[in-house]
Amino acid sequence: GAGVSQSPSNKVTEKGKDVELRCDPISGHTALYWYRQSLGQGLEFLIYFQGNSAPDKSGLPSDRFSAERTGGSVSTLTIQRTQQEDSAVYLCASSLAAGETQYFGPGTRLLVL
Amino acid sequence: GENVEQHPSTLSVQEGDSAVIKCTYSDSASNYFPWYKQELGKRPQLIIDIRSNVGEKKDQRIAVTLNKTAKHFSLHITETQPEDSAVYFCAASRAQAGTALIFGKGTTLSVSS
Repeated sequence: GAGVSQSPSNKVTEKGKDVELRCDPISGHTALYWYRQSLGQGLEFLIYFQGNSAPDKSGLPSDRFSAERTGGSVSTLTIQRTQQEDSAVYLCASSLAAGETQYFGPGTRLLVL
Repeated sequence: GENVEQHPSTLSVQEGDSAVIKCTYSDSASNYFPWYKQELGKRPQLIIDIRSNVGEKKDQRIAVTLNKTAKHFSLHITETQPEDSAVYFCAASRAQAGTALIFGKGTTLSVSS
């Protein structure tokens, strides 16, 4: 079946602009995660959605970052007033349930000029 | 919160040799430990995982060991091949609590023929 998909694959924006990144999880997966990977670095947890529970936002680096998950499926990560340090690959993952194997999408490469 | 340390950051081996990557974690309640392989420009892919109710797991040339008392776990790759060259990430989480994965900073493995 189809894996996790993300769009756009690449995004170039100017400092101060807002961006929206989209994640389509694997159908039926109840858990969805956002991570950030800076160049040559590991994966930094941002936010986690599980079913209808309140999301775990403990990894969001600032209030410029927010995310929502509509209808328990598609998720959008929004970065407001982008800064150059926001440049990174943003990865989405989903799992069948909490604690199960996480499958990653291809990521969105964000470049803030 | 959880903190995962990974060593070494880079590892170079000759084809056919074994490679070992080690991780330590801080949260004694963590009980799920996956390993991901990420090739250049690709998404992370799960290669093996272990839960805290076992001490070792093998899958062909790959094995993972877990020492809960010492809070460390290791990835062992035997008979390395050039296609094993990639960045490897360890991670830890409290699976039942549904917490997100906390990743190590990665190990760049280079296998030369």
